[in-house]
Amino acid sequence: DIQMTQSPSSLSASVGDRVTITCRASQGISNYLAWYQQKPGKVPKLLIFAASTLQSGVPSRFSGSGSGTDFTLTISSLQPEDVATYYCQKYNSDPYTFGQGTKLEIK
Amino acid sequence: QITLKESGPTLVKPTQTLTLTCIFSGFSLRASGVGVGWIRQPPGKALEWLAIIYWDDDKRYSPSLKSRLTITKDTSKNQVVLTVTNMDPVDTATYYCVQRTTAGTYFDLWGQGTLVTVSS
Repeated sequence: DIQMTQSPSSLSASVGDRVTITCRASQGISNYLAWYQQKPGKVPKLLIFAASTLQSGVPSRFSGSGSGTDFTLTISSLQPEDVATYYCQKYNSDPYTFGQGTKLEIK
Repeated sequence: QITLKESGPTLVKPTQTLTLTCIFSGFSLRASGVGVGWIRQPPGKALEWLAIIYWDDDKRYSPSLKSRLTITKDTSKNQVVLTVTNMDPVDTATYYCVQRTTAGTYFDLWGQGTLVTVSS
């Protein structure tokens, strides 16, 4: 089975910073990659699908890129409300594995 | 408006079987492309995909848990049921019911989740 590895596991950045989170698949998955945001105590929320397509209603400071095995989630200007754990998920085929998560905090 | 809501026991004993029900509204599991699945999250840990059932009754399971999971649907009642056999304390988690998008098996709609604790 394909494994999904995120880095870093945790990240602290300042408001206004550009933040990048990486997700690596152990085998190629084309662009079948989704990103989710889970704020503390809340239900996960879909941010991006097809590696780079923003879900409706998601702020434009979020963007995704990549194909094959390497993917990134970028927040262009970090806001306080972006404090959350971010997960990637592959969906090219089952099992629909998630990464282990990246916890983002404000410095 | 599409909603999904999980129901089931909050506490189960080790070795027991867990039965969770997802009651949904706003869509039909008869419609082509529709799928409803389950994802869990142990306290403080990552999301783990468990199972999904599709409109055509195709079922997929997490390989690591396949022997313990069964997913079924009742389209007339708008319900999906997940059973997990031989529960263990490591299965303590919030269990989420989710809807697959018709464009692919990623999840744009989630239930509120239900915390299941496994303890004697």
